[in-house]
Amino acid sequence: AQTVTQSQPEMSVQEAETVTLSCTYDTSESDYYLFWYKQPPSRQMILVIRQEAYKQQNATENRFSVNFQKAAKSFSLKISDSQLGDAAMYFCAYSDDYGGATNKLIFGTGTLLAVQP
Amino acid sequence: DTGVSQNPRHKITKRGQNVTFRCDPISEHNRLYWYRQTLGQGPEFLTYFQNEAQLEKSRLLSDRFSAERPKGSFSTLEIQRTEQGDSAMYLCASSPGLAGTYNEQFFGPGTRLTVL
Repeated sequence: AQTVTQSQPEMSVQEAETVTLSCTYDTSESDYYLFWYKQPPSRQMILVIRQEAYKQQNATENRFSVNFQKAAKSFSLKISDSQLGDAAMYFCAYSDDYGGATNKLIFGTGTLLAVQP
Repeated sequence: DTGVSQNPRHKITKRGQNVTFRCDPISEHNRLYWYRQTLGQGPEFLTYFQNEAQLEKSRLLSDRFSAERPKGSFSTLEIQRTEQGDSAMYLCASSPGLAGTYNEQFFGPGTRLTVL
């Protein structure tokens, strides 16, 4: 079964600085997606960034970028120029990508990011 | 379109009572997912619908849980004979289900259940 592990329960960063959140996963599949989701306090979950496993190039979305190491099964999120609005719980998630897959998401336990002014 | 909506947002019930939650997905999204999130944990998959067909159920979905999606529109999740361990946030997500491309899941705000 696929698993997702986030070993950093909490992280803190100064405003305008850079922070990296770690994630490892385990799967026997070759085709899959990896995601980072953001869940602000009392707000709904939103997708931050997505990576297709077949793509060697790391995904980037504005201030958010990932470091995808397929062989090591590692998928970290880098947030540059951190802003107060980045404070939230961040979840790493996995989804199978094959014909007939339900694309259900398997989540890690989350990393609570605090941004200090 | 205002996104995925869930009702009620909060539900407090006594142990042994039945509860029902509703999820209204984004219009024309044919895929619908239910997840459960307990305090300090990530969401866990419960069940998946493609249109009106329930195609996958997690082992977490005990016999006390039942989900429906009549006519492939809104969905309901019912918990019978609630237990304190059922206390959690119940999240609904929908996605377009388009062939040949990735389908992002859009989440609702969740229903927080407290079983006393």
